[in-house]
Amino acid sequence: QVQLVESGGGLVKPGGSLRLSCAASGFTFSDFYINWIRQAPGKGLEWVSYISGSGSTIYYADSVKGRFTISRDNAKNSLYLEMNSLRAEDTAVYYCARLVVRGLYNWFDPWGQGTLVTVSS
Amino acid sequence: DIQMTQSPSSLSASVGDRVTITCRASESISSYLNWYQQKPGKAPNLLIYAASTLQSGVPSRFSGSGSGTDFTLTISSLQPEDFATYYCQQSYSTPYTFGQGTKLEIK
Repeated sequence: QVQLVESGGGLVKPGGSLRLSCAASGFTFSDFYINWIRQAPGKGLEWVSYISGSGSTIYYADSVKGRFTISRDNAKNSLYLEMNSLRAEDTAVYYCARLVVRGLYNWFDPWGQGTLVTVSS
Repeated sequence: DIQMTQSPSSLSASVGDRVTITCRASESISSYLNWYQQKPGKAPNLLIYAASTLQSGVPSRFSGSGSGTDFTLTISSLQPEDFATYYCQQSYSTPYTFGQGTKLEIK
């Protein structure tokens, strides 16, 4: 079945770096935009970034622009998020989610189970 | 950025009740509105896309309506498994944005 599995979360000090991964299975990975979406503890959902199937189109939320880099390896069915200059406010569960497009409409489905990133000294 | 505002932020209801959650966009988003359900410790799960289309496998007691700036999610008869947090999300333009969530609790 269609599945996304995140990994790479952990505890990192402010100013530090971390690389998240998302492994995809059950669908043609290169056909889909994939997104990173995060959720701070006890808070709502914040969209972070997306990358097109070919990797040629990338978009970032202002809150992470210049610090985070999204990339993908279609040969490995994998998505990545390189996070630098981490701040306490980046503490969150990070989800990867497939963007399904039908006509002019699109939505996130499915989502991975998430990986927790904690930025603290 | 398009701001999404849900009301109420929390709601207490009983099994069998009919419940409506409202989502308002800061500008017109046509029907580019999705709804997700999230249970504690789990990832969000798609319920409705394009404002009113039920995702495959989602029970028919869930329905969505609206266009422009005002949208609603209705659960016709609450079941025990429906107690969760619900989020709306606009897919009209990037950055994609979510409502703050509505937590549905058992009365």
